[in-house]
Amino acid sequence: SQTIHQWPATLVQPVGSPLSLECTVEGTSNPNLYWYRQAAGRGLQLLFYSVGIGQISSEVPQNLSASRPQDRQFILSSKKLLLSDSGFYLCAWRGTGLRANTQYFGPGTRLTVL
Amino acid sequence: AQSVAQPEDQVNVAEGNPLTVKCTYSVSGNPYLFWYVQYPNRGLQFLLKYITGDNLVKGSYGFEAEFNKSQTSFHLKKPSALVSDSALYFCAVRLAYNNDMRFGAGTRLTVKP
Repeated sequence: SQTIHQWPATLVQPVGSPLSLECTVEGTSNPNLYWYRQAAGRGLQLLFYSVGIGQISSEVPQNLSASRPQDRQFILSSKKLLLSDSGFYLCAWRGTGLRANTQYFGPGTRLTVL
Repeated sequence: AQSVAQPEDQVNVAEGNPLTVKCTYSVSGNPYLFWYVQYPNRGLQFLLKYITGDNLVKGSYGFEAEFNKSQTSFHLKKPSALVSDSALYFCAVRLAYNNDMRFGAGTRLTVKP
C-alpha cells in the first residue's frame, strides 16, 4: 500500500534562516506530487506541483522553491525565511488506478518562523 | 473559473442529530468532487468522491454526499453526528485542464454532547 511521509513534524526557525522540508512517498512510482501551505487552520494554498523528476511548476511566486531529486522525493526549500512563511505545510500525491483522481496527504509540518 | 465554495465557516450540531456541511461548485464539463476531513495538526484525510453514477456517494466514517447537478451542489451529510466528527471539512474539485485540485476555504464542524 502507498504511504506518504513528511519531516520534520514541527520546526521553529529564526527569520532569515534556510529551510528544507522533505516529503517521500512509498508504494507507487512516478506520482504527481504537491506542496500546499495552510495558514491559520483554514484554506489550502497550492505552492508547487511536480509530474516527474526535475519537473516543478510554481503556482505562487514567493521566496520558496521546490525540487524533486528522486521519483518519490519532493523537497521544499528557502534560502531566507520570512515571518509570513509560518504555517502548516502539507505534501500530497495523486493516486493511480483505483485511487486515481484523488490526492492523498501526508501528516504535515508545522513551521513557526520567529 | 473552476472552483468550489463552502458558504459556512462554522456549523454546530448536537450529538445524535443529522449534520450537513454545504458545498457548491463552478466547473466546466463534468465535475469530479471530493470531501476531506482534517483533525487538529494533522493532514487531510480523504472521505469520499463523486466521479459519475449514483448521485448519493457513501464514504468513510458513515459520511455521505449528494451530488445535485441542477443546484451545482455537493453537500456532505451524516444521519447521526458524533462528538468525534468535530473537525475541519474541505470540499474540493478536480480541475479539468491539468487534473489538479482546488479546495474550498473549509467549514469547521463542532458537535456538542
